Amino acid sequence: DSGVTQTPKHLITATGQRVTLRCSPRSGDLSVYWYQQSLDQGLQFLIQYYNGEERAKGNILERFSAQQFPDLHSELNLSSLELGDSALYFCASSIRTGEGGELFFGEGSRLTVL
Amino acid sequence: LAKTTQPISMDSYEGQEVNITCSHNNIATNDYITWYQQFPSQGPRFIIQGYKTKVTNEVASLFIPADRKSSTLSLPRVSLSDTAVYYCLVGDRATSGTYKYIFGTGTRLKVLA
Repeated sequence: DSGVTQTPKHLITATGQRVTLRCSPRSGDLSVYWYQQSLDQGLQFLIQYYNGEERAKGNILERFSAQQFPDLHSELNLSSLELGDSALYFCASSIRTGEGGELFFGEGSRLTVL
Repeated sequence: LAKTTQPISMDSYEGQEVNITCSHNNIATNDYITWYQQFPSQGPRFIIQGYKTKVTNEVASLFIPADRKSSTLSLPRVSLSDTAVYYCLVGDRATSGTYKYIFGTGTRLKVLA
């Protein structure tokens, strides 16, 4: 158990809909990272937050947004869903941002768009 | 842009030592090299991290030459349960100073009986 909690574990929805994925980082970790992993693909970095502030952005679509709340949990919002958004979405946390940090990953949220 | 290159796949037999090499020619001075293991439908798990020379823990060793442009993950005496994807990771620091962890394509290791 990494200490990172993601909900829901599974989500099935239709095209055009909107969903919210939630992540609770390990106790004491200030950084949260979101990654997308499509079937048999690598991990695509989406976005990173540190103590409530956005710190780095990757290949995140404009239809997607995220935020980190004062209690340090984070939410990833996916809207106007398309079939291609079906993927595993991972959240990771670390104590700090920058070099040398170890990322602790959650078990992921599997999104299926029909 | 920090980028890593690894073999796409490797096969090995149980009990053998497996060495996976990662190339990171553009590694920055402050970057660490980190390796993660991922099983299907699970989140990646930290294996080992190093900055230079050699690092060893209970599951693996990491060899980093002086120029730090490559690194080799060594898994001693692999078992079937080591079948997984292994990712080499270095940082990606933008000119703005922001730092990202970008995963490469990984190496798919298959351990055969």
